[in-house]
Amino acid sequence: AQRVTQPEKLLSVFKGAPVELKCNYSYSGSPELFWYVQYSRQRLQLLLRHISRESIKGFTADLNKGETSFHLKKPFAQEEDSAMYYCALRAGNQFYFGTGTSLTVIP
Amino acid sequence: GAVVSQHPSWVICKSGTSVKIECRSLDFQATTMFWYRQFPKQSLMLMATSNEGSKATYEQGVEKDKFLINHASLTLSTLTVTSAHPEDSSFYICSAISGASSPLHFGNGTRLTVT
Repeated sequence: AQRVTQPEKLLSVFKGAPVELKCNYSYSGSPELFWYVQYSRQRLQLLLRHISRESIKGFTADLNKGETSFHLKKPFAQEEDSAMYYCALRAGNQFYFGTGTSLTVIP
Repeated sequence: GAVVSQHPSWVICKSGTSVKIECRSLDFQATTMFWYRQFPKQSLMLMATSNEGSKATYEQGVEKDKFLINHASLTLSTLTVTSAHPEDSSFYICSAISGASSPLHFGNGTRLTVT
């Protein structure tokens, strides 16, 4: 069965500190993984996807098939990064979401 | 591009009445639309998946007679909460994909309060 695990429900870091939001997945096929972000009072929006291999807003995420992980990283957190982050896996036409991590960047 | 519009943004209704929520893809054809329910500070719970012109596929535990989904066109899906009760109060979010390699595009959600 497909599953996405985000072990941290809450994460607080100081401004300028590195941040890593963890995501592990379980999927027997070739995974397609995404990170979605939800800022306060805004809709969920795509942050990045692993096939793009790009950096968005300073965030990067590398798919590690050996560890079945897709952790989201940013070297220097900013206050505007405070938001809810969801890791998602696509299996065919279905998307499976993790439970989300609420990131707070402390000024 | 890839904008999903959801209407209304919020609605208050009395217990026993029905409420319809619309989800439209404004600038693309949505091959598949998804309806989610989001509880405060919790993850998204997939309720159902709908493809244009066919019956929706409901997730386990979701009452299909209570949450009626219609996907009449490639740009419109509706969710009707029938005979609403206070426990149906929640945040409902629709999303859509435009094709096999498309990411999910989300609507802005509907806050339903049943009194």
